[in-house]
Amino acid sequence: AQSVTQLDSQVPVFEEAPVELRCNYSSSVSVYLFWYVQYPNQGLQLLLKYLSGSTLVKGINGFEAEFNKSQTSFHLRKPSVHISDTAEYFCAVSDQWAAGNKLTFGGGTRVLVKP
Amino acid sequence: EPEVTQTPSHQVTQMGQEVILRCVPISNHLYFYWYRQILGQKVEFLVSFYNNEISEKSEIFDDQFSVERPDGSNFTLKIRSTKLEDSAMYFCASRGYEKLFFGSGTQLSVL
Repeated sequence: AQSVTQLDSQVPVFEEAPVELRCNYSSSVSVYLFWYVQYPNQGLQLLLKYLSGSTLVKGINGFEAEFNKSQTSFHLRKPSVHISDTAEYFCAVSDQWAAGNKLTFGGGTRVLVKP
Repeated sequence: EPEVTQTPSHQVTQMGQEVILRCVPISNHLYFYWYRQILGQKVEFLVSFYNNEISEKSEIFDDQFSVERPDGSNFTLKIRSTKLEDSAMYFCASRGYEKLFFGSGTQLSVL
């Protein structure tokens, strides 16, 4: 069975400061990893995904994440945040990425960017 | 970017009543999903649907739940007899080649 742990439920950060959101997963087989963002009153939007290849994945809005198999982690980073990055961020894993397979989500990390 | 549309955005119902949550997936997508998020908890998979049948369902998706694609554009989730613990945000999603698109959700409140 898969599981995802997001270690921080809330992360306050000042504008233009860097941010790192931690995600650890457990999966017994191949793993495919995702970060989603949810802005207030909106749906989940894909930020980035790791399916294979380079362990450093770049996504939208200046975010990137690094897949670390030995540490079973997929932490999300942004070097300089904006007020508009205030949102909830979800890490998710799937053990297959054929169509129809489900995602298992972490509990989310709420990022509050302060001026 | 294409969007998955969900209606209504909020639904309030009495315990024991039937509710239907509606979704319009992206038009050329073939795989459809429902997820839910109870307040303060994780987003949980409910069901996936392909070729007019359920591909996979979670243990949450019991006999009180059903899904349907009645007319080739809508994708619905029905809860036959709602319970208080069904109160949650319900997300519909549809899948393209590699990317899963989510709707903005329906907040269901069971009183």
